[in-house]
Amino acid sequence: AQKITQTQPGMFVQEKEAVTLDCTYDTSDPSYGLFWYKQPSSGEMIFLIYQGSYDQQNATEGRYSLNFQKARKSANLVISASQLGDSAMYFCAMRRPSGGYNKLIFGAGTRLAVHP
Amino acid sequence: DADVTQTPRNRITKTGKRIMLECSQTKGHDRMYWYRQDPGLGLRLIYYSFDVKDINKGEISDGYSVSRQAQAKFSLSLESAIPNQTALYFCATSDSDALTGNTIYFGEGSWLTVV
Repeated sequence: AQKITQTQPGMFVQEKEAVTLDCTYDTSDPSYGLFWYKQPSSGEMIFLIYQGSYDQQNATEGRYSLNFQKARKSANLVISASQLGDSAMYFCAMRRPSGGYNKLIFGAGTRLAVHP
Repeated sequence: DADVTQTPRNRITKTGKRIMLECSQTKGHDRMYWYRQDPGLGLRLIYYSFDVKDINKGEISDGYSVSRQAQAKFSLSLESAIPNQTALYFCATSDSDALTGNTIYFGEGSWLTVV
């Protein structure tokens, strides 16, 4: 069965420090995509970063990078130089290839608190 | 204006009432989705649609129905709302290319409370 696991219900980090949010996935499909979303207290889902299963390099988007270890089936999000505005829920999600649909399976999320 | 617009953004309704959540998009995408978010569970797929003639059940479709009135519009209905349907609901859209990066766009979410 396809599944996303985020083992850290909550994390905290000091402002300006780096933090890693863990995500492991389970799938037997060779083609898949991995996403990270940020959800602030206002509720909207904000796309952060994407990694395709065939991408050779780890994805990076500004202060966000994805540590993709395919053999270990992990796709950890690294936030460098944390800011107070990074405090939010973070969700890892996997896109299942299914007849052209982009259905997503989500993890339970990690709540990140950035302290000054 | 947002690419994916949900209405209403907030609604409190009584048990047994019918409630409709509407979604419209300006992305020109053919795929549309409805997700539900409960605390501690992430988002779960309710229904999804390829076009106006194509409606598919997701993992938690019981108690819900949908209508794809046009390519740009996808509404979610709770025929007889119950308290455990209290949740945050998201509409999403995607294009037909499943092999590239961020091709999935979420609406701002609709907070629904059933009392």
